[in-house]
Amino acid sequence: SAVISQKPSRDICQRGTSLTIQCQVDSQVTMMFWYRQQPGQSLTLIATANQGSEATYESGFVIDKFPISRPNLTFSTLTVSNMSPEDSSIYLCSVDGVGRGLDEQYFGPGTRLTVT
Amino acid sequence: GENVGLHLPTLSVQEGDNSIINCAYSNSASDYFIWYKQESGKGPQFIIDIRSNMDKRQGQRVTVLLNKTVKHLSLQIAATQPGDSAVYFCAEKIGYSSASKIIFGSGTRLSIRP
Repeated sequence: SAVISQKPSRDICQRGTSLTIQCQVDSQVTMMFWYRQQPGQSLTLIATANQGSEATYESGFVIDKFPISRPNLTFSTLTVSNMSPEDSSIYLCSVDGVGRGLDEQYFGPGTRLTVT
Repeated sequence: GENVGLHLPTLSVQEGDNSIINCAYSNSASDYFIWYKQESGKGPQFIIDIRSNMDKRQGQRVTVLLNKTVKHLSLQIAATQPGDSAVYFCAEKIGYSSASKIIFGSGTRLSIRP
């Protein structure tokens, strides 16, 4: 399995500011995925990040609001820009299967964001 | 806790009994289905998966059943233990490549009665 860490684990931010969330994996992975989990809800995919190319965003999510970087095969960042209280969620990083086949997908512990 | 699953449907089970968690999926083209367990304050943890060419798969204390005719997936947990308390999500995937995205369904909160 892959060990995934995220920073920060939680933060309280003021509206109008931006927060960058980091995701670090202990092995090289092809794809990294960013999800949002609003309070009491399921996970919604924000975007897919492939190293060396622009992230692919899902319907309802745009690069200006959620810029993503993928500088190498073990690291990615997600920025939540110009935050509003509606952005209060858990943001989760996920990676595809590592060395054990392509099926399993692993998740980081999440970053809990509260916007006031 | 992290309020995960606060508004999700709840299944309450007596400790030691079997639990059955159900999920309806939407895309008949999905090739692969996964069950995840999410404990409070943590990310989802892989439990068991099944490919679309199968109708049953067993793991340790867990069994997943797939009925493609009615697009229904279930997770059975045998001899439920307090540590099984969590929110459980089904998820589906089209294709098997690393680029194939996983789409999560709605979750179910499993609560264990002592």
